Amino acid sequence: IAGITQAPTSQILAAGRRMTLRCTQDMRHNAMYWYRQDLGLGLRLIHYSNTAGTTGKGEVPDGYSVSRANTDDFPLTLASAVPSQTSVYFCASSEEGTSYNEQFFGPGTRLTVL
Amino acid sequence: AQSVTQLDSQVPVFEEAPVELRCNYSSSVSVYLFWYVQYPNQGLQLLLKYLSGSTLVKSINGFEAEFNKSQTSFHLRKPSVHISDTAEYFCAVSEGKLIFGQGTELSVKP
Repeated sequence: IAGITQAPTSQILAAGRRMTLRCTQDMRHNAMYWYRQDLGLGLRLIHYSNTAGTTGKGEVPDGYSVSRANTDDFPLTLASAVPSQTSVYFCASSEEGTSYNEQFFGPGTRLTVL
Repeated sequence: AQSVTQLDSQVPVFEEAPVELRCNYSSSVSVYLFWYVQYPNQGLQLLLKYLSGSTLVKSINGFEAEFNKSQTSFHLRKPSVHISDTAEYFCAVSEGKLIFGQGTELSVKP
């Protein structure tokens, strides 16, 4: 069982370019999440999806968009990357989007925007 | 709004010494509390959680945390650490979605 996979592992991107980070889970979890991790700030929620076909905004959604066409995939798109989006991005999933469910995390994507 | 404060950004300790990683939260309602661990170059993994019931919760690898409602704390402890415990530890609170603390880097030295 792979759990959660993310691609690419790392990427260097020129400012202004469009970029999609991919996330796939094979646990049939209903809820999925995107976080960014920055030194000294911990993890901050960007967007989430409680079930296929629905999405919601997290703490830091500006400059990012998501879609949830099916249960397994939850891509994160940066329409026009800026240097402040340099970060490590983690995708996560949980059985349901309730407060008490354990979240399972992918290995992360390290993104550098120059 | 909820918030989580981890009082120490870095905690260096020697192997077999005890350790405490401090976590305080702010919330006006009942919360669920979590500790996640991130080993180098990996994603986060759940270490332990408090949902209800006994205020002392334990992990399979010797860590424990105590929910203290009056002090709004959920400190993580281990009586004797190993080199393999070297990692970053995140406290998190949930009323709906997880809110993470800033993280504490535990460095265990031989």
